[in-house]
Amino acid sequence: NAGVTQTPKFQVLKTGQSMTLQCAQDMNHEYMSWYRQDPGMGLRLIHYSVGAGITDQGEVPNGYNVSRSTTEDFPLRLLSAAPSQTSVYFCASSYSQTGGGAFFGQGTRLTVV
Amino acid sequence: GNSVTQMEGPVTLSEEAFLTINCTYTATGYPSLFWYVQYPGEGLQLLLKATKADDKGSNKGFEATYRKETTSFHLEKGSVQVSDSAVYFCALNPTGNQFYFGTGTSLTVIP
Repeated sequence: NAGVTQTPKFQVLKTGQSMTLQCAQDMNHEYMSWYRQDPGMGLRLIHYSVGAGITDQGEVPNGYNVSRSTTEDFPLRLLSAAPSQTSVYFCASSYSQTGGGAFFGQGTRLTVV
Repeated sequence: GNSVTQMEGPVTLSEEAFLTINCTYTATGYPSLFWYVQYPGEGLQLLLKATKADDKGSNKGFEATYRKETTSFHLEKGSVQVSDSAVYFCALNPTGNQFYFGTGTSLTVIP
């Protein structure tokens, strides 16, 4: 029972580089989301998707792109990394109805130098 | 709008002490409420939940009651253990795809 799988777990980027954080879930959840976690700020929503082909912006979308070509996968792209994007990134998936809770991946710790 | 206000930490307790972590919320409609726990280096794990007023969620000795009249969902445990040391997040779920998290409360339990 894999749940939500994120790769990589750790990454160091140079300013201006681009990369893709991978996220896959095997629970057939319609909803998937990306959050970033920063000290003292809890989790902030970057982008989310309510189904394949449908994405929308969250609270802090600038500098990030997403796409959802399949139910299972929801990659997050950093277009041109900046030190302000140093953070821990979590992917989550959830049921379409409230009350089911969100399931989180193990996180990706990203450092931009 | 929707938001969660959570008790600031860090909290340090001795083993077997009573734990309360306060959480209050602002929401439209009838949201579901959750507590998540995050152990060092890991993702968030669902600890307990409540989907309607007066529901009590419970798991691993932790409890929280959905109080609509006080818009609260305080987390309690009667006797904490060293293994409970973690960061605890209160979360609000007004719709299927929207979750609002508190800033987290770090708990350290010392033997």
